[in-house]
Amino acid sequence: GNSVTQMEGPVTLSEEAFLTINCTYTATGYPSLFWYVQYPGEGLQLLLKATKADDKGSNKGFEATYRKETTSFHLEKGSVQVSDSAVYFCALSDTTAGNKLTFGGGTRVLVKP
Amino acid sequence: GAGVSQTPSNKVTEKGKYVELRCDPISGHTALYWYRQSLGQGPEFLIYFQGTGAADDSGLPNDRFFAVRPEGSVSTLKIQRTERGDSAVYLCASSFRSPGTGELFFGEGSRLTVL
Repeated sequence: GNSVTQMEGPVTLSEEAFLTINCTYTATGYPSLFWYVQYPGEGLQLLLKATKADDKGSNKGFEATYRKETTSFHLEKGSVQVSDSAVYFCALSDTTAGNKLTFGGGTRVLVKP
Repeated sequence: GAGVSQTPSNKVTEKGKYVELRCDPISGHTALYWYRQSLGQGPEFLIYFQGTGAADDSGLPNDRFFAVRPEGSVSTLKIQRTERGDSAVYLCASSFRSPGTGELFFGEGSRLTVL
């Protein structure tokens, strides 16, 4: 079956530091890949996505590249802000299963000023 | 409203009681999903509706869990004979159609605590 593994947190950084959150997946077929973010007190929201191999998703300074050869979709940001403190979830959507998402366990990121 | 609305936001109940959780999706979204998120974990799929019918209920843990969407809009997740292990945040999400781009719009969740 489908599964997503992401690095455990919490990850604590200083403002303007570089952030990487690793994500690897196992899937049948050709999944689409996503990063969702959950800010304190808010619902999950889509951060970025990539629908095929070598696609790069980007939003709000975050980037992730769909690497089929390594089955990975690592999230990166070059200079984090305090407002980036949140829980980040990597997820995949199997095209044979509609929009049903399989999530990783989440990585809590805390950015200190 | 503009987003997915879930009620109640918090529910505390006693073991063995019956609970209903309601989800009002974004207007025009035909697909609706229920997920369960335990503390410190990622959301786990429960059930997905396309219109009024349950297209995939493979994530429901047992027959104490049931969900309906009678008119293709509002959905209710029903849990019978609640157990302490049912304590979690129950998330609802909607999207325009399925299969699609995979973007789901989530509500803030209903936190269920079973004492």
